[in-house]
Amino acid sequence: EAGVTQSPTHLIKTRGQQATLRCSPISGHTSVYWYQQALGLGLQFLLWYDEGEERNRGNFPPRFSGRQFPNYSSELNVNALELEDSALYLCASSTRQGPYNSPLHFGNGTRLTVT
Amino acid sequence: QQPVQSPQAVILREGEDAVINCSSSKALYSVHWYRQKHGEAPVFLMILLRGGEQKGHEKISASFNEKKQQSSLYLTASQLSYSGTYFCGTEGSGSEKLVFGKGTKLTVNP
Repeated sequence: EAGVTQSPTHLIKTRGQQATLRCSPISGHTSVYWYQQALGLGLQFLLWYDEGEERNRGNFPPRFSGRQFPNYSSELNVNALELEDSALYLCASSTRQGPYNSPLHFGNGTRLTVT
Repeated sequence: QQPVQSPQAVILREGEDAVINCSSSKALYSVHWYRQKHGEAPVFLMILLRGGEQKGHEKISASFNEKKQQSSLYLTASQLSYSGTYFCGTEGSGSEKLVFGKGTKLTVNP
């Protein structure tokens, strides 16, 4: 069974540009989560999508947005990039609505560097 | 609200035991534990639900005290492969999102 796949692996952008990150969940998983992992801050919750709908979002500005497609893959868009957006962006998927009793399966992440 | 993990880092010799704690100021529905090795994705270890049930996975077990909103991860007779950063993730009442702590870096030396 293929795991969660993310692309690209690395992304280098300049300040003010837009970045698009992609995620394909494990087959059969309908929920997709996005997390930002910056040095020393742990995993910061960004967004949660399920069945094509945004279910919840973390404390990030509106320039962080995304969507989930009918095949449950997801896209994270970051507009007007700032230097502090440099981080590892992790996508995770799970089988059911809500993380209550469903483990998250993480991809290897996209390393975004803003210069 | 982000749960607080302690200690931030711990260094062990192979065969020693360790305890990692995770506490929240909010009422919790569930606590997840994950391990992330350097340069790799976090890997799921276990979920604990309200009810104080203790779970185990080989020599790694955990408990959840819902009255204190605390969870502890117990690693016994540690192996070199246990090295990595351990994250607890908590889901609070009505939040419908999993919020992770800053992590505890565990290093097991021969």
